[in-house]
Amino acid sequence: QKEVEQDPGPLSVPEGAIVSLNCTYSNSAFQYFMWYRQYSRKGPELLMYTYSSGNKEDGRFTAQVDKSSKYISLFIRDSQPSDSATYLCAMSVGGVSGGYNKLIFGAGTRLAVHP
Amino acid sequence: DAGVTQSPTHLIKTRGQQVTLRCSPKSGHDTVSWYQQALGQGPQFIFQYYEEEERQRGNFPDRFSGHQFPNYSSELNVNALLLGDSALYLCASTLSGQGASSPLHFGNGTRLTVT
Repeated sequence: QKEVEQDPGPLSVPEGAIVSLNCTYSNSAFQYFMWYRQYSRKGPELLMYTYSSGNKEDGRFTAQVDKSSKYISLFIRDSQPSDSATYLCAMSVGGVSGGYNKLIFGAGTRLAVHP
Repeated sequence: DAGVTQSPTHLIKTRGQQVTLRCSPKSGHDTVSWYQQALGQGPQFIFQYYEEEERQRGNFPDRFSGHQFPNYSSELNVNALLLGDSALYLCASTLSGQGASSPLHFGNGTRLTVT
């Protein structure tokens, strides 16, 4: 079993739809949760960054973390064609002295938003 | 503000050869991590360098080695290339000691093809 599971999609939605992306994980030691967006032929770009459980909102994006269920979500409101990309969840135990711990990524979900 | 830069962008090598990939971290960052992203998969952690030393290592064989220079730039070396080494190699940087407030910033990667 992989540490982080993510449905690879692809997910196709009409412009303006609400998109829900999800990941589950097995390591209860994870404390830091991230969502990255990756356009074709580009590196991952950090979208959302959450510590422990709870919700975080940034514009059209909302990240949710439920540590009791080992489940994280990213919601995109009013989706746009420019949101078409691969969305990667990532998480880490974090907290090591001297900086950032390694990230464990999901496989990524391909999203296509059509006009 | 220069982001993470990687060179070259594309590379084609033959099985058994050796390759060196280069990375300059984002301005102000001192910690560099390398990830391997196979097609259709999420990035996998290779190793992390801080103060010119390898601080953490993922599940990769000794054929993968690295180096960090005093200016914080880094190299990834892969010896005895295998077909399975074909992937996008991503460099990411962060500032140590900042913990949760300094997430990883990724470059656009080097696409390595082994024939």
